[in-house]
Amino acid sequence: DADVTQTPRNRITKTGKRIMLECSQTKGHDRMYWYRQDPGLGLRLIYYSFDVKDINKGEISDGYSVSRQAQAKFSLSLESAIPNQTALYFCATSGAGIETQYFGPGTRLLVL
Amino acid sequence: QQQVKQSPQSLIVQKGGISIINCAYENTAFDYFPWYQQFPGKGPALLIAIRPDVSEKKEGRFTISFNKSAKQFSLHIMDSQPGDSATYFCAASYSGANNLFFGTGTRLTVIP
Repeated sequence: DADVTQTPRNRITKTGKRIMLECSQTKGHDRMYWYRQDPGLGLRLIYYSFDVKDINKGEISDGYSVSRQAQAKFSLSLESAIPNQTALYFCATSGAGIETQYFGPGTRLLVL
Repeated sequence: QQQVKQSPQSLIVQKGGISIINCAYENTAFDYFPWYQQFPGKGPALLIAIRPDVSEKKEGRFTISFNKSAKQFSLHIMDSQPGDSATYFCAASYSGANNLFFGTGTRLTVIP
């Protein structure tokens, strides 16, 4: 987990606020991902990026945006947070293939 | 639409018992089937994976059984220990895919 870090680890915000979750990795991987985890729904892909100039929507991108500032940094933004975005958010990385993904420790987000 | 269906949602096993978690899929293009283990407060981590050219893969107390004709695969944890208590996710992918498709997760509790 130390190779993939996420900040903040916990965040409470109010409906309508803009917030950013940040992810950094020292694994030297080109591929980075953002997932959200909800009880009973598993891990769902929000966005993924295969290099700095490549950003792609995942299964549930509505209400989210991302920025790939560098190979090592991938940020997730909620432009106007809503309560149903309350969830556990994970950043992950992978090497040339997508098969082995390395996850960060997660950010627990509560939207009031 | 859930590409990989996982059951049960939760499982309680006595120490020393066998834990069995099942997953099923429909997409016959899938050719890679990993299992991820997630401890509380941590991100998921790759536990074991299998490709459909074999019907079983064993690593220590963990075994994946794969049934290609039934489009099912399962994780068996032999001699389950309290330290195995975690959430387990099955997943699937195929060559050229952009991401892993995760199951909904199984919360395993091993009682001493």
